[in-house]
Amino acid sequence: KQEVTQIPAALSVPEGENLVLNCSFTDSAIYNLQWFRQDPGKGLTSLLLIQSSQREQTSGRLNASLDKSSGRSTLYIAASQPGDSATYLCAVHASGGSYIPTFGRGTSLIVHP
Amino acid sequence: DTAVSQTPKYLVTQMGNDKSIKCEQNLGHDTMYWYKQDSKKFLKIMFSYNNKELIINETVPNRFSPKSPDKAHLNLHINSLELGDSAVYFCASSHLQGEAFFGQGTRLTVV
Repeated sequence: KQEVTQIPAALSVPEGENLVLNCSFTDSAIYNLQWFRQDPGKGLTSLLLIQSSQREQTSGRLNASLDKSSGRSTLYIAASQPGDSATYLCAVHASGGSYIPTFGRGTSLIVHP
Repeated sequence: DTAVSQTPKYLVTQMGNDKSIKCEQNLGHDTMYWYKQDSKKFLKIMFSYNNKELIINETVPNRFSPKSPDKAHLNLHINSLELGDSAVYFCASSHLQGEAFFGQGTRLTVV
């Protein structure tokens, strides 16, 4: 059974810092990995999708890397801004059999001015 | 246009009632999902459905049932609601093993 862990659970930083959020998964046989953002009381917004054959994906100030063999992904946020404050979730799509995205518990990020 | 839409956004109901939450996607996806987000914000899969197969999380009580009239819709029916059913329910869709898109959620409160 796939288990997804996100570290740290919470993070509070001053504006302008570069951040690294971590996601690890127990079964390396994955199809893809997806990073989401969730604002309080809102739905999930897809940030980046990394296919299992890829090593990283970039979108603006966000960069996500994937090391499938070690079961790890990182989300790098450059030059953080208060508007980045949200919960960040990673979800892993297993390959072979179940195609259901399995989520970690998220990292709650606060960027203060 | 909203890609994945859920209705209602808020639902307050009494214990024992039966209720439904509707979900529609206009992305042409072949797979739809229902997730439950508990008070600690953990997203737990309830159902996954494409036009051929329904996968049910075995921990979901059989009071919950998904109904799909067509590929663009996956509704969630809940019978005999209990206090513990209070949560936020999210619908999502994707191509099989593709990028998933989520609705805005339905906050269910059972009183």
